[in-house]
Amino acid sequence: DSGVTQTPKHLITATGQRVTLRCSPRSGDLSVYWYQQSLDQGLQFLIQYYNGEERAKGNILERFSAQQFPDLHSELNLSSLELGDSALYFCASSPRDLSSYEQYFGPGTRLTVT
Amino acid sequence: AQSVTQLDSHVSVSEGTPVLLRCNYSSSYSPSLFWYVQHPNKGLQLLLKYTSAATLVKGINGFEAEFKKSETSFHLTKPSAHMSDAAEYFCVVRGLTGGFKTIFGAGTRLFVKA
Repeated sequence: DSGVTQTPKHLITATGQRVTLRCSPRSGDLSVYWYQQSLDQGLQFLIQYYNGEERAKGNILERFSAQQFPDLHSELNLSSLELGDSALYFCASSPRDLSSYEQYFGPGTRLTVT
Repeated sequence: AQSVTQLDSHVSVSEGTPVLLRCNYSSSYSPSLFWYVQHPNKGLQLLLKYTSAATLVKGINGFEAEFKKSETSFHLTKPSAHMSDAAEYFCVVRGLTGGFKTIFGAGTRLFVKA
């Protein structure tokens, strides 16, 4: 158990809908990262927050947005969902915003868009 | 720009024989390099990391990796494979480009035969 929690574990929704994925980092970690894992794209970095501020952006679609709240939990919002958004979404956390820090991964949220 | 290439999508070994999973990277700056393992339907677990200290890095479960700057490689090895090592392995690079973006390799699936 990494100490990172994600809810829900599974989510099934229809095209065009909007969903919110939630992540609670390890106690004391200030950085939160979001990743998408799919069969065709592999593991893609989406976005990173550090202490409430956006720090780095990866291959995140404009339909997706995220934020980190004062209590350091983070939410990833996916809107106008398409079939291709079906994937496993991971959250990770690390203590600080330095490249040398390893990231601790949550168990993931499996999103199925029908 | 940063990139990481895992040279084998699949590797098959017999139990008790050595494991070699190959990874080459590209980074404009001195990178931090990591190996993660993902067992089926599980999150990612850190095996080991390199952050400009010793070039031979020891990790969990008997794995180790050697950073070779001249070859831009960070291959993962284990002297003797165990059935429980069967999983997907990801080589990861983080650097200073664009705010510590995290780049995952495509993954290498390790099969261990009895």
